[in-house]
Amino acid sequence: EPEVTQTPSHQVTQMGQEVILRCVPISNHLYFYWYRQILGQKVEFLVSFYNNEISEKSEIFDDQFSVERPDGSNFTLKIRSTKLEDSAMYFCASLAPGGGEQYFGPGTRLTVT
Amino acid sequence: QKEVEQNSGPLSVPEGAIASLNCTYSDRGSQSFFWYRQYSGKSPELIMFIYSNGDKEDGRFTAQLNKASQYVSLLIRDSQPSDSATYLCAARSGGSYIPTFGRGTSLIVHP
Repeated sequence: EPEVTQTPSHQVTQMGQEVILRCVPISNHLYFYWYRQILGQKVEFLVSFYNNEISEKSEIFDDQFSVERPDGSNFTLKIRSTKLEDSAMYFCASLAPGGGEQYFGPGTRLTVT
Repeated sequence: QKEVEQNSGPLSVPEGAIASLNCTYSDRGSQSFFWYRQYSGKSPELIMFIYSNGDKEDGRFTAQLNKASQYVSLLIRDSQPSDSATYLCAARSGGSYIPTFGRGTSLIVHP
């Protein structure tokens, strides 16, 4: 069964460093998302991406964040200058054709020290 | 501000019992509703989605939607210890592809 994959599973970085989180969505899906979940808190929407451009973004998704689809398969989230409060699980998701179900990847745990 | 509210729990039920998880939402324009299961440290896993008022059954799971009351529920029959997890409710407005998630309800099924 096709699935969303994410790398790395765990990233440790120092405050102020840039990180790139990678995702490979399910191949026939057209909408892609990034969410984050701070430990013990709710899943929060960051950004959605459709047709090679940002479709929607939340207030959390400020100038420190960017997304790219550098090729036909990868979908990346870049955080330019990480802060302690960026420590969270970051989930990539993709939306099934027809706009129904959204499938999540396994997540990347980002730890900023 | 779109809100999805869930009791954080934990909800504790004995093995074999029916677990009932509830969710309310604030946006009357919400049209699609989703239940996800999330084990600790793992990603949300879609269990069911429902669009129409009434019940939708899938195996041991039944989702119930009442749009007039802005209420969604998930029933788990014959609960198993492996059902112990946090259950996330999500609502999505018509014309949007962005669901709003609740904080989740922790379910504990004890043998």
